Amino acid sequence: SQTIHQWPATLVQPVGSPLSLECTVEGTSNPNLYWYRQAAGRGLQLLFYSIGIDQISSEVPQNLSASRPQDRQFILSSKKLLLSDSGFYLCAWSVIAGQGAAFFGQGTRLTVV
Amino acid sequence: GENVEQHPSTLSVQEGDSAVIKCTYSDSASNYFPWYKQELGKGPQLIIDIRSNVGEKKDQRIAVTLNKTAKHFSLHITETQPEDSAVYFCAANGNNRLAFGKGNQVVVIP
Repeated sequence: SQTIHQWPATLVQPVGSPLSLECTVEGTSNPNLYWYRQAAGRGLQLLFYSIGIDQISSEVPQNLSASRPQDRQFILSSKKLLLSDSGFYLCAWSVIAGQGAAFFGQGTRLTVV
Repeated sequence: GENVEQHPSTLSVQEGDSAVIKCTYSDSASNYFPWYKQELGKGPQLIIDIRSNVGEKKDQRIAVTLNKTAKHFSLHITETQPEDSAVYFCAANGNNRLAFGKGNQVVVIP
C-alpha cells in the first residue's frame, strides 16, 4: 500500500532563517506531488505541484521554492523565512494529476517568530 | 480554472441528526468529486468520492450526491456522532489538480 511521510511535524523558526520541509511517498512510482499551505482558517492553498522530476509548477508567487530530487521526494524550501510564512504545510500525492484522489501527509505546523 | 464553493461555513447538529454540506463547482468538464475530513492538527483524509457517471454513492453513514446539470454535489452524514466533528472539504478536478472548497466546520452536539 502507498504511504506518505512528511516531516517535521512542528517547526519554530526565526525570521530570516532557511526552511526545508521534506515529503516522501512509498509504494508507488511517478506520483504527482503537491505542496499546500493552510493558513489561519481552513482553506487549502496550492503552492506547487509536480508531475515528474524536474517538472514543478508554482501556483502563487511567494518566498518559497520546491524541488524534486528523486521520483518520490518533494522538498519545500525557503532561503529566508518571513512571518507570513507561518502556517500548516501539507504534502499530497496522486496517481493521475487531476483525475483521482489526492492523499495527504500529516502536515507540518510552521511558526515563524 | 475550476472554482469550488462550500456552504454553510459552519454547521452544528445534534447527535443522531443528519448533516448536509453542499458544494458548487464552475467547470462543466469536471468529472471527479472527492470529500475530505480534517481533524484538528492532522492532514485531510479522503472519506468518499464520486465520478460524474453516477448520481449517488453511499458508504455506511455517509453519502454523496451529484447533480451535473446544476453543478453541485453534497455530502450527507446520517446518525451523526461526536467523532464526526471536523472540518470537511469538497473538491473538484480541473487543470491537472483538485480545486478545494474553503471547508465546513461540522460540530456534533452530544
